[in-house]
Amino acid sequence: QKEVEQDPGPLSVPEGAIVSLNCTYSNSAFQYFMWYRQYSRKGPELLMYTYSSGNKEDGRFTAQVDKSSKYISLFIRDSQPSDSATYLCAMKTGTASKLTFGTGTRLQVTL
Amino acid sequence: EAGVAQSPRYKIIEKRQSVAFWCNPISGHATLYWYQQILGQGPKLLIQFQNNGVVDDSQLPKDRFSAERLKGVDSTLKIQPAKLEDSAVYLCASSPGPWGDTQYFGPGTRLTVL
Repeated sequence: QKEVEQDPGPLSVPEGAIVSLNCTYSNSAFQYFMWYRQYSRKGPELLMYTYSSGNKEDGRFTAQVDKSSKYISLFIRDSQPSDSATYLCAMKTGTASKLTFGTGTRLQVTL
Repeated sequence: EAGVAQSPRYKIIEKRQSVAFWCNPISGHATLYWYQQILGQGPKLLIQFQNNGVVDDSQLPKDRFSAERLKGVDSTLKIQPAKLEDSAVYLCASSPGPWGDTQYFGPGTRLTVL
């Protein structure tokens, strides 16, 4: 079993839709959670960084962490064609700097 | 502020040949990471440097991969000899501190081994 599971998609939604992206994990030592966006032929770009359980909002993006269920989510409101990319979840323990990534979910926002 | 620079962007080699990748991190970033991203997968850490010292190389295939960061700034990653399964994107990232919370990635080098 992988430490981090993420549905690879692809996920296709119409412009303006609310998108929900999810990851589950098995390592209870993970304490820090990130979401990265990766456009085709580009490096990943950090979108959201959270530590505690609960919600964190930044513009159209909301990151949600439920440590009791070992489940994290990224919500995108009013999705735009420019949001079309692969979204990677990543996480780390409190004692090491190594990031463990999910496989990424490919999102396509259509006009 | 300039981002993480990598070169070359693309490389095609025959199996058993050698190849080297170069990375220049963001100025002032002490921590540098090399990741391997195979198509359809998330990045996997190969090696982490703190200044010019190795912090974690547990997932680096040391029989064929080597990396150095001699002056604590730019870094090279070498594969010798290459295998077909080394075909991937090699990403370099840097972060200002040692804890990996905020990593900035370069555009990557896409390696194809024939």
